Amino acid sequence: SQTIHQWPATLVQPVGSPLSLECTVEGTSNPNLYWYRQAAGRGLQLLFYSVGIGQISSEVPQNLSASRPQDRQFILSSKKLLLSDSGFYLCAWDPVGQTEVGYEQYFGPGTRLTVT
Amino acid sequence: GDSVTQMEGPVTLSEEAFLTINCTYTATGYPSLFWYVQYPGEGLQLLLKATKADDKGSNKGFEATYRKETTSFHLEKGSVQVSDSAVYFCALTTDSWGKFQFGAGTQVVVTP
Repeated sequence: SQTIHQWPATLVQPVGSPLSLECTVEGTSNPNLYWYRQAAGRGLQLLFYSVGIGQISSEVPQNLSASRPQDRQFILSSKKLLLSDSGFYLCAWDPVGQTEVGYEQYFGPGTRLTVT
Repeated sequence: GDSVTQMEGPVTLSEEAFLTINCTYTATGYPSLFWYVQYPGEGLQLLLKATKADDKGSNKGFEATYRKETTSFHLEKGSVQVSDSAVYFCALTTDSWGKFQFGAGTQVVVTP
């Protein structure tokens, strides 16, 4: 069966420090991968998605970046964190090459980031 | 563009009460519709889905019917439990590779 991992689970970082969040998926090959952010009391905002190694699309211009160095690894980074980067970061995956609409996304447990 | 609108919360209910969470959508094409649930401190889990008009998704006592004429996908449960306390997200996708639009989420609090 497929599983998705995220770490760290919780992170407290000062403003201006770098960030690296990691997401890995097991039990599947060549998944589509997604990074979402959930600010306190608000919905999900899609940040990045990837349909393959080295292929990253950004939905929201900001000081965050994403990379996919391996098939099942997705990394969210920042060189200098802002207070507004605080939130709950969720990684998700779904099978690539879907031929019909209706496949759900599978979410990881999330990383709670607090920028102080 | 595509969008999802959910009723704002929090919704506070007593155990065994009836729950309805309204969800309406705007989409070009024919979306698939989903309800996800998020328990405190966790990621999202798929609760149910419907992929075409008049389909009814159901799971764990929850139901939602895809109403194309009213562009709605309201979530219902006849008798809630304390363990149903969570945030519920309505979502849609019209892309074959799964780019989702999520609603803002509705927090449900069930008291004993």
